[in-house]
Amino acid sequence: GENVEQHPSTLSVQEGDSAVIKCTYSDSASNYFPWYKQELGKGPQLIIDIRSNVGEKKDQRIAVTLNKTAKHFSLHITETQPEDSAVYFCAASPNTNAGKSTFGDGTTLTVKP
Amino acid sequence: EAGVTQSPTHLIKTRGQQATLRCSPISGHTSVYWYQQALGLGLQFLLWYDEGEERNRGNFPPRFSGRQFPNYSSELNVNALELEDSALYLCASSLARNTIYFGEGSWLTVV
Repeated sequence: GENVEQHPSTLSVQEGDSAVIKCTYSDSASNYFPWYKQELGKGPQLIIDIRSNVGEKKDQRIAVTLNKTAKHFSLHITETQPEDSAVYFCAASPNTNAGKSTFGDGTTLTVKP
Repeated sequence: EAGVTQSPTHLIKTRGQQATLRCSPISGHTSVYWYQQALGLGLQFLLWYDEGEERNRGNFPPRFSGRQFPNYSSELNVNALELEDSALYLCASSLARNTIYFGEGSWLTVV
């Protein structure tokens, strides 16, 4: 089955700095890669996703890059703000079913004012 | 548009009892997924229901079960509760197995 590894497990940055979270996956059949943000006591919220036919996708301060050859993808957050503090999960799934995603273990991002 | 709703928000049960958690998907979504998130851990896939049928289950014992109703809402049942079942149970829904949207979760505490 699919195995997703996520690094780092914790990340602390100063407000205004950039944050990068990296994930690797093992199953070459995976071609849908969403990222979720989970605030304390809440369910995960989809913040950005990318499909394998695209190498990069950007949405305001958030971008995701995908390297299918190397089987890794990354989340980039620029100009971080305290409200970006949360746990971020990456996931990988076959296009046939996004709900059967395999999730990384999460990265706790702390943005210090 | 209403998102995925789950109830109850919190539930406390005694070891050996049964717990029932409920989920209403986003209107128009036909697939419902259940995940377990133990404290400090990642999300573990539990069950997938689509069009009223169980389509797949994760690596969990049979005492984790559920069903999907004709209106696409779903319930998760956990029998013979064990202490390690204490976790946040998340429901998610999707249309045609596309992007999934999570609810806020139900906290289950087993004492």
